[in-house]
Amino acid sequence: ETGVTQSPTHLIKTRGQQVTLRCSSQSGHNTVSWYQQALGQGPQFIFQYYREEENGRGNFPPRFSGLQFPNYSSELNVNALELDDSALYLCASSWTGANSYEQYFGPGTRLTVT
Amino acid sequence: AQSVTQLGSHVSVSEGALVLLRCNYSSSVPPYLFWYVQYPNQGLQLLLKYTSAATLVKGINGFEAEFKKSETSFHLTKPSAHMSDAAEYFCAVTVNTGNQFYFGTGTSLTVIP
Repeated sequence: ETGVTQSPTHLIKTRGQQVTLRCSSQSGHNTVSWYQQALGQGPQFIFQYYREEENGRGNFPPRFSGLQFPNYSSELNVNALELDDSALYLCASSWTGANSYEQYFGPGTRLTVT
Repeated sequence: AQSVTQLGSHVSVSEGALVLLRCNYSSSVPPYLFWYVQYPNQGLQLLLKYTSAATLVKGINGFEAEFKKSETSFHLTKPSAHMSDAAEYFCAVTVNTGNQFYFGTGTSLTVIP
């Protein structure tokens, strides 16, 4: 069974640029959630994708957007990067159904905005 | 909306002592509750979950948690701390739609030899 993978592991961008982060969900999972974890903080829910549609969204501006593909992998796109976007971005996959809601996390992508 | 509060951003215990990490939740509907552990530079690993079955939940690595509705709490315990338990611990809540998760700010556990 393959776990959740994320790419790249580290990324440095300049303010105003755009970035795309990628996530491959665990085998058998159909739902992907994205989180932003600032240094010393808990993960903040960005959004969730289920069946290629956004299924829930946290308090993040529209410049944070995503996609889910037919193989359940996902992308997080952030436009017009700001210094405060520097954080660890975590992807979590799960199976929607059976009232489980167990999320399995990838190792994260560390984004630094300068 | 739901939220969790973790009391104590830092907890230190001696090796072999009881570990108690506190989590209180707020939810207008029955919650699903989770504890995760995060080691440095890694993602989060699920320790245990409460999904409206037994109120005392046992997880991995000897951890357990008890759901107390009257106290809106879901505290994490372990009878005897081990050096390898040193990590950051997060409590999280969702509800039966499962499409929004809320995490606490975390508790950093230090185990003193």
